[in-house]
Amino acid sequence: SAVISQKPSRDICQRGTSLTIQCQVDSQVTMMFWYRQQPGQSLTLIATANQGSEATYESGFVIDKFPISRPNLTFSTLTVSNMSPEDSSIYLCSVSLDSSAGNTIYFGEGSWLTVV
Amino acid sequence: DQQVKQNSPSLSVQEGRISILNCDYTNSMFDYFLWYKKYPAEGPTFLISISSIKDKNEDGRFTVFLNKSAKHLSLHIVPSQPGDSAVYFCAASAIFGNEKLTFGTGTRLTIIP
Repeated sequence: SAVISQKPSRDICQRGTSLTIQCQVDSQVTMMFWYRQQPGQSLTLIATANQGSEATYESGFVIDKFPISRPNLTFSTLTVSNMSPEDSSIYLCSVSLDSSAGNTIYFGEGSWLTVV
Repeated sequence: DQQVKQNSPSLSVQEGRISILNCDYTNSMFDYFLWYKKYPAEGPTFLISISSIKDKNEDGRFTVFLNKSAKHLSLHIVPSQPGDSAVYFCAASAIFGNEKLTFGTGTRLTIIP
């Protein structure tokens, strides 16, 4: 498995501001993912971040709203820009590690954002 | 379109009995399935996985069964313990070249002491 640390763990943000979430992994990983879990909903993939290339965004998510950096194999950031109350969610960083059965995705503890 | 479905939003089971959580999927490209457990205010914790070449995988108290023809999988927890009370998510992906997970909506399991 991997140890995945996220900062901040939780924050209360003003509408219209932006916040950057950091994700640090204790080992080098090729693929990192950012998910969102809105209240009462399932987890939804925002984007895939590979080191050395642009992030790949899922339908409904755009780079202007959720810019991502991936400067090296152990670190990534997700920025939630121009926040509105609808952005209140848990944001989760995850990594893919090979196992004997296939690739397993491990998650950080999440960053709980409340937009007021 | 919900490609991974967990039709039971909640389940209550007596401590010591078997908990059975169900998951159905619609995308025939899915080839690899995982179960995660999530406590409030924490990230999901990986429990167990199964690939389509198997119909059963066991790890301690947790067993996952896959019925590929029915596009159905289930997680069995036996014996159930109070610490198992959490939300359980089923997730699916295609093994080759795609680690993106599609999650179900979760089932809240409550173990009654």
